[in-house]
Amino acid sequence: KAGVTQTPRYLIKTRGQQVTLSCSPISGHRSVSWYQQTPGQGLQFLFEYFSETQRNKGNFPGRFSGRQFSNSRSEMNVSTLELGDSALYLCASSLVEQGPYNEQFFGPGTRLTVL
Amino acid sequence: GDSVTQMEGPVTLSEEAFLTINCTYTATGYPSLFWYVQYPGEGLQLLLKATKADDKGSNKGFEATYRKETTSFHLEKGSVQVSDSAVYFCALRDRGGADGLTFGKGTHLIIQP
Repeated sequence: KAGVTQTPRYLIKTRGQQVTLSCSPISGHRSVSWYQQTPGQGLQFLFEYFSETQRNKGNFPGRFSGRQFSNSRSEMNVSTLELGDSALYLCASSLVEQGPYNEQFFGPGTRLTVL
Repeated sequence: GDSVTQMEGPVTLSEEAFLTINCTYTATGYPSLFWYVQYPGEGLQLLLKATKADDKGSNKGFEATYRKETTSFHLEKGSVQVSDSAVYFCALRDRGGADGLTFGKGTHLIIQP
């Protein structure tokens, strides 16, 4: 069974641009969550999608948005990029909506560099 | 809000040494606890989990026990190998579940042959 895939793996953008990252969950998984990983702040929860609906959202500005398609694939978008948005963006999928017992499977991440 | 505290390292050990990575947490509710491992260039892999007090999670020789009285979930392994070199993250998920996983800063473990 294929794991969680994320594209692209690496991305370089300049300040003010926007970017879209893609995540394909494990086949049959319906929940997709996104996390931002930086050396300073560590791993922080961005949002979770389940059945094409955003269920939970972390403490990030509105420049960060996402969506989920009917095939459970998800995209996240960051508009008006800032230097501080440089990070590894991780996507995680699980069978059902996030809960204390559900294991999340992580992808390899997309490394975004903002110049 | 919820938080997880763990030693950041790097922690350097010799092969076959005993490993302990401390993890303590603060949570408003009654969380589930997890250890994840991240190898270079890869995403996170779930190493083990525990969902209630006194539960012991174990996998690949690693163990951690959910201690509610000390709000801790320390990771241990009796004999580490070079292949265990990685970054280890302690995390919690509150039962309310609105904020995803809350992670510690990660502990970089280096095992020398």
